[in-house]
Amino acid sequence: NAGVMQNPRHLVRRRGQEARLRCSPMKGHSHVYWYRQLPEEGLKFMVYLQKENIIDESGMPKERFSAEFPKEGPSILRIQQVVRGDSAAYFCASSSLGSGNTIYFGEGSWLTVV
Amino acid sequence: DAKTTQPPSMDCAEGRAANLPCNHSTISGNEYVYWYRQIHSQGPQYIIHGLKNNETNEMASLIITEDRKSSTLILPHATLRDTAVYYCIVRLNFGNEKLTFGTGTRLTIIP
Repeated sequence: NAGVMQNPRHLVRRRGQEARLRCSPMKGHSHVYWYRQLPEEGLKFMVYLQKENIIDESGMPKERFSAEFPKEGPSILRIQQVVRGDSAAYFCASSSLGSGNTIYFGEGSWLTVV
Repeated sequence: DAKTTQPPSMDCAEGRAANLPCNHSTISGNEYVYWYRQIHSQGPQYIIHGLKNNETNEMASLIITEDRKSSTLILPHATLRDTAVYYCIVRLNFGNEKLTFGTGTRLTIIP
């Protein structure tokens, strides 16, 4: 898991607040993936981004969730008006450009909504 | 939907080889077999991947059957730190396709 950096590692938000989760991919990686893991459940794909482009957002909830990966800086997963059901671990992963390149994960950000 | 089938749980004695099976009978010719594991409260960790030949690295060996419809991940000398959920995933070998996780196998190493 070395290299993919996520912060914060733990975040507590009250219902209705916004949560911002950051992900810095491994050096040289230009592809970022976000996954969510609800308590006692499996890993679910949310979104796949390249620099400045969303490639696949088929797993993103339609409302309140957004993601970006700007030309400079980390990828951001933003959750607006959080609800208790958003409490989960959010994992970021990255890979380099090229066919079939291995995807590496970060250690996750744990969001708790109170 | 995940394209693989794994037993939900397995036990293995510490020091023994852990053999984790995976069925992927609908795998296509341009799909790799990937293995990841997730230790409790940590991010998924890449272990190994292969296309059709057996592979070995410092963590594990991957044995893929000749017809590619199943594979086995082998941890040669399991330790307590190998207790985790192990995921077998098939993934296209072109583009940067996402990983689709199933329910995996919960491996428990017994002291």
